[in-house]
Amino acid sequence: DAGVIQSPRHEVTEMGQEVTLRCKPISGHDYLFWYRQTMMRGLELLIYFNNNVPIDDSGMPEDRFSAKMPNASFSTLKIQPSEPRDSAVYFCASSRDSQILTQGQYFGPGTRLTVL
Amino acid sequence: GEDVEQSLFLSVREGDSSVINCTYTDSSSTYLYWYKQEPGAGLQLLTYIFSNMDMKQDQRLTVLLNKKDKHLSLRIADTQTGDSAIYFCAERLPSGNTPLVFGKGTRLSVIA
Repeated sequence: DAGVIQSPRHEVTEMGQEVTLRCKPISGHDYLFWYRQTMMRGLELLIYFNNNVPIDDSGMPEDRFSAKMPNASFSTLKIQPSEPRDSAVYFCASSRDSQILTQGQYFGPGTRLTVL
Repeated sequence: GEDVEQSLFLSVREGDSSVINCTYTDSSSTYLYWYKQEPGAGLQLLTYIFSNMDMKQDQRLTVLLNKKDKHLSLRIADTQTGDSAIYFCAERLPSGNTPLVFGKGTRLSVIA
């Protein structure tokens, strides 16, 4: 299995531009999570989906952030417009319901976003 | 509450044992986890312990759980330079399939 795939791995953009981060979860996993990691705040859960349905988006910082999961194998996290304070590493993770207890969540390699 | 606390940094000499500590505030947590994040990579599950256990050993790793004090520790024996990473403690609350609650991570530096 290829694991959780994220693209791009690095993104540098200018303030005000739209940014789209992509994630392909592990096949057969029905939970998908988006996290943001910064030195100041550590690892923050932004939103998670179960069977493509958003369950909790209370961690999404503000309306500039949106996430979608149109099917079981693809999710996007969009920031529009982007701001320098959005600079962080964004992780996608997935898990299978029946194995969630003993195997936790599988993380992708992350997308390092820099907003100038 | 759902706070998981860890110290931010730990430095040890190669060959020594490392002990990374974590405290959590929700006594109803069912599973507790240790994840490892190497530079430039995502988090990888290292080990987990169920709340009815007080110790779990896996090769060089020993996990100790003190439920009374809500304290979890990860001991790495014979620490190697390849163990240098950020270690995250995480807890699972009992209320359904909720996401894990992560600590901020402890950065372990191993000095040769």
